[in-house]
Amino acid sequence: EPEVTQTPSHQVTQMGQEVILRCVPISNHLYFYWYRQILGQKVEFLVSFYNNEISEKSEIFDDQFSVERPDGSNFTLKIRSTKLEDSAMYFCASSEKGRQRDYAETQYFGPGTRLLVL
Amino acid sequence: KNEVEQSPQNLTAQEGEFITINCSYSVGISALHWLQQHPGGGIVSLFMLSSGKKKHGRLIATINIQEKHSSLHITASHPRDSAVYICAVSRTSGSRLTFGEGTQLTVNP
Repeated sequence: EPEVTQTPSHQVTQMGQEVILRCVPISNHLYFYWYRQILGQKVEFLVSFYNNEISEKSEIFDDQFSVERPDGSNFTLKIRSTKLEDSAMYFCASSEKGRQRDYAETQYFGPGTRLLVL
Repeated sequence: KNEVEQSPQNLTAQEGEFITINCSYSVGISALHWLQQHPGGGIVSLFMLSSGKKKHGRLIATINIQEKHSSLHITASHPRDSAVYICAVSRTSGSRLTFGEGTQLTVNP
């Protein structure tokens, strides 16, 4: 069964360093998402991506964050200068395009990247 | 106030018990999602529903759109059902999921 993959599974970095988290969404999916979960807290939305551009972003997704689809398969999240509070599990998800605007789709999640900023 | 509220926060059951987890939401939605998060952190989608009821094995999800309320039921619970169960809502095609806090379920043998 197709699945979303993420690399690396764990990343430890120093504060101020840049990190790139990588995701390979399911191949026929058109919507891509990044979420994060700080330890002990609920999952929070960061950004969604469709048709090679950001379709929605949260207030968390500030200028330190960027997303890219550099080729036909990868979807990346870059944190330009990491802060201690960026330590979290980062999940990539993807979904098919719905049949109509009001129709939602199931989102399929990758296994996550656990980021620790020291 | 959170847009998605779940109850209870924690639930401990004995193997074989019938379990209910509740979710209320305060916004207009196109669908409600029930997800399972394993101890290792991975998230799996269990159900997506916009009306009525869905069943998969021992899991049943219901939604009442007028009351903005959904329930997830587990029949004949088993220790392997131990996980965090999360309710989330989406508004339109391709839109973000807004998550509840999750319910930690522990099923003891």
